[in-house]
Amino acid sequence: GGIITQTPKFLIGQEGQKLTLKCQQNFNHDTMYWYRQDSGKGLRLIYYSITENDLQKGDLSEGYDASREKKSSFSLTVTSAQKNEMAVFLCASSLTGGARDQNTLYFGAGTRLSVL
Amino acid sequence: GQQVKQSSPSLTVQEGGISILNCDYENDMFDYFAWYKKYPDNSPTLLISVRSNVDKREDGRLTVFLNKSGKHFSLHITASQPEDTAVYLCAAGVGGSAKLIFGEGTKLTVSS
Repeated sequence: GGIITQTPKFLIGQEGQKLTLKCQQNFNHDTMYWYRQDSGKGLRLIYYSITENDLQKGDLSEGYDASREKKSSFSLTVTSAQKNEMAVFLCASSLTGGARDQNTLYFGAGTRLSVL
Repeated sequence: GQQVKQSSPSLTVQEGGISILNCDYENDMFDYFAWYKKYPDNSPTLLISVRSNVDKREDGRLTVFLNKSGKHFSLHITASQPEDTAVYLCAAGVGGSAKLIFGEGTKLTVSS
């Protein structure tokens, strides 16, 4: 088995601050994802990456940057935190690609963001 | 716009009954459909998935029905139990792509 580790678990930021969320997986999966979870809005795809150094925009990429410098890690940067923003950011990985090969997405425990 | 929609934010079913969760999609190219289950304060986990070359897939108490012409798929849970209480997220994607789009989720409560 493998595990997806997201750090930090909780992140409190200030308005306008640049914040970075990290994700590590030891499944040796090719594809990694960042989703944002808001109450009543399900999971919205921010960025995904099908291999090292690859980046693909999701539907919610504006206001975010991502980086896949190694196969095992995928980081997400909130470029300018919005006041009173609260959300959970979920990282996931799959063997080659969720829809492509019917591969299961494995999710991390999430990073809970609060912006003061 | 939202490409994958779950119009019911919540559903309550009596223990032993059938839970029916629905999902609509917009993109004709979607050919992979999945249901994930999420307990409070836990991450989503895959329940069942299907490709568009079948209309139905059963796995124990779970059945996925796919209606391609109506751009709709559903999850039926028979003999619903209190431990089925969770948020259910539908997801869809195009087979040639790694991109997977999720719906808003439906909170299922099975009452005893």
